[in-house]
Amino acid sequence: DAGVIQSPRHEVTEMGQEVTLRCKPISGHNSLFWYRQTMMRGLELLIYFNNNVPIDDSGMPEDRFSAKMPNASFSTLKIQPSEPRDSAVYFCASSDPLAASYNEQFFGPGTRLTVL
Amino acid sequence: QKEVEQNSGPLSVPEGAIASLNCTYSDRGSQSFFWYRQYSGKSPELIMFIYSNGDKEDGRFTAQLNKASQYVSLLIRDSQPSDSATYLCAVKNTGNQFYFGTGTSLTVIP
Repeated sequence: DAGVIQSPRHEVTEMGQEVTLRCKPISGHNSLFWYRQTMMRGLELLIYFNNNVPIDDSGMPEDRFSAKMPNASFSTLKIQPSEPRDSAVYFCASSDPLAASYNEQFFGPGTRLTVL
Repeated sequence: QKEVEQNSGPLSVPEGAIASLNCTYSDRGSQSFFWYRQYSGKSPELIMFIYSNGDKEDGRFTAQLNKASQYVSLLIRDSQPSDSATYLCAVKNTGNQFYFGTGTSLTVIP
């Protein structure tokens, strides 16, 4: 398996622009997580989906952020409009709760977002 | 109060020594505890998980859990330079939510 795939790997944009991050989970995994990582705040859970349905979006910082999972193999995280404080590494992770009791999450390589 | 707290370090140990990493959590009902390793510029990878009070050993790694004290630790024996990374403690709480600490940076000096 190719693992969790994220694109783009790097994104540089200007304040006010729309940014869309993409994620393809591991085939067969039915849970998908979006995280944001910064030096100051560490790894923060933004939202997670189970069977394509958003279960907990309490970590989404504000209305500028939205996430969708139209099918089991694709998810997007959109920021509109982007701000410099959104600069971070965004990780997508997937898991299969039925495969192991400890519910290991497999992380993608991340998208490094810089908002100028 | 943060859900999961770790000393940010940096922690430096000589090669061959024992590295001890610590983590505390706030939700007393939490049941699953994880240690992830993250190399610079890479994504986190799971190295240990523990559910029950006590010790769990896997090779050079030992995870220790004390639910009464809400404390979980990771010991790395015979530390190697390749162990140099940031170690993230993660907790799955009663709400089935994952919380990560900010990580402890470990450097193993040859």
